[in-house]
Amino acid sequence: DAKTTQPTSMDCAEGRAANLPCNHSTISGNEYVYWYRQIHSQGPQYIIHGLKNNETNEMASLIITEDRKSSTLILPHATLRDTAVYYCIVRGTLNTGTASKLTFGTGTRLQVTL
Amino acid sequence: DGGITQSPKYLFRKEGQNVTLSCEQNLNHDAMYWYRQDPGQGLRLIYYSQIVNDFQKGDIAEGYSVSREKKESFPLTVTSAQKNPTAFYLCASSIALLQQPQHFGDGTRLSIL
Repeated sequence: DAKTTQPTSMDCAEGRAANLPCNHSTISGNEYVYWYRQIHSQGPQYIIHGLKNNETNEMASLIITEDRKSSTLILPHATLRDTAVYYCIVRGTLNTGTASKLTFGTGTRLQVTL
Repeated sequence: DGGITQSPKYLFRKEGQNVTLSCEQNLNHDAMYWYRQDPGQGLRLIYYSQIVNDFQKGDIAEGYSVSREKKESFPLTVTSAQKNPTAFYLCASSIALLQQPQHFGDGTRLSIL
């Protein structure tokens, strides 16, 4: 599975769009990009995933570059409840990796402010 | 509603004591996982199970043990051999091994008395 790189932290004003970047330059053709978030003292929550097309659901939008080497998670109107750590991970659909590839990195700590 | 239930939410362990963390899921998922999270860190895999009566070590299995006697249940025992057990423990499941998305419980916070 590809390694991902995310900024350590970001701030966003409430009501504005939060754009969280993720680099995954070694992604391979059968690997999806997944985003999770973890609010303090809770388990991670699945947000969205995509392969190569942009995706949107009720929580967020995912923009994947044409070369698939990076992506951006967009929270269109951030609220205080969106303050959390956001994890970007890349996973294949088949059992092609070892268990150690299930590790989540440190993610991006998003702070939404008034 | 389907989901994963972890209990207890908070747990305290005395020196030399084994403690067991419960994880139950009603999502009919085959695969289950245990992660450990330390303050300000990501999630590290302790053990995982692909199917009933099968489980494998993850990256940091030393001092921990698991069982998978039922599809719905994947308890984690923190043994006295784990010298630094204070952490936030998360259980997760997925339809099949390494399949996403994973569904997570709300965790158990273990502390040493």
